[in-house]
Amino acid sequence: GENVEQHPSTLSVQEGDSAVIKCTYSDSASNYFPWYKQELGKRPQLIIDIRSNVGEKKDQRIAVTLNKTAKHFSLHITETQPEDSAVYFCAARSDTGGFKTIFGAGTRLFVKA
Amino acid sequence: KAGVTQTPRYLIKTRGQQVTLSCSPISGHRSVSWYQQTPGQGLQFLFEYFSETQRNKGNFPGRFSGRQFSNSRSEMNVSTLELGDSALYLCASSLALYNEQFFGPGTRLTVL
Repeated sequence: GENVEQHPSTLSVQEGDSAVIKCTYSDSASNYFPWYKQELGKRPQLIIDIRSNVGEKKDQRIAVTLNKTAKHFSLHITETQPEDSAVYFCAARSDTGGFKTIFGAGTRLFVKA
Repeated sequence: KAGVTQTPRYLIKTRGQQVTLSCSPISGHRSVSWYQQTPGQGLQFLFEYFSETQRNKGNFPGRFSGRQFSNSRSEMNVSTLELGDSALYLCASSLALYNEQFFGPGTRLTVL
């Protein structure tokens, strides 16, 4: 079945450094790729998304890149701050057999002050 | 606009019982998806509804079912509860099928 692999599962960086989270998807029909941030005890919230007709998108300190050929997409956070500490989920959405969104297993990011 | 709401927020049930969870999407949103979140498994897709039709179902047993009403509110039902069903159940709504999903606060189900 469809699958999204996410790496690493845990990432620890020093404040001010960059953080990169990588995801690979299996369903070639996927065409929408959102990233969610979930803080402890809270609901997931969208931080950035990218559609399959775009290779890169940036929003202030956050950027996402997509390589459709390799079925690979990545989240880049620059100048990390302690408040960036959370669990980040990538996801891939397709209409294969009906619409669904498959999530990666999550990356727990720690930003040390 | 009010956000996605879910009721109840917490539930404690015993094995063998059944449970119904409710999700009210953001006004105007027609798509509702359900996910099961557990510490080890992340967010697992349960179902997606659009305009009262189930568009897809995840790899869960038939004990898990759902429906969507004409006002876009959705319910999911789990029958014959098992210990492994203990999880946070999240619903998310979106305006249409390829728009941003907004999550509700979740219903935490504990099965004893």
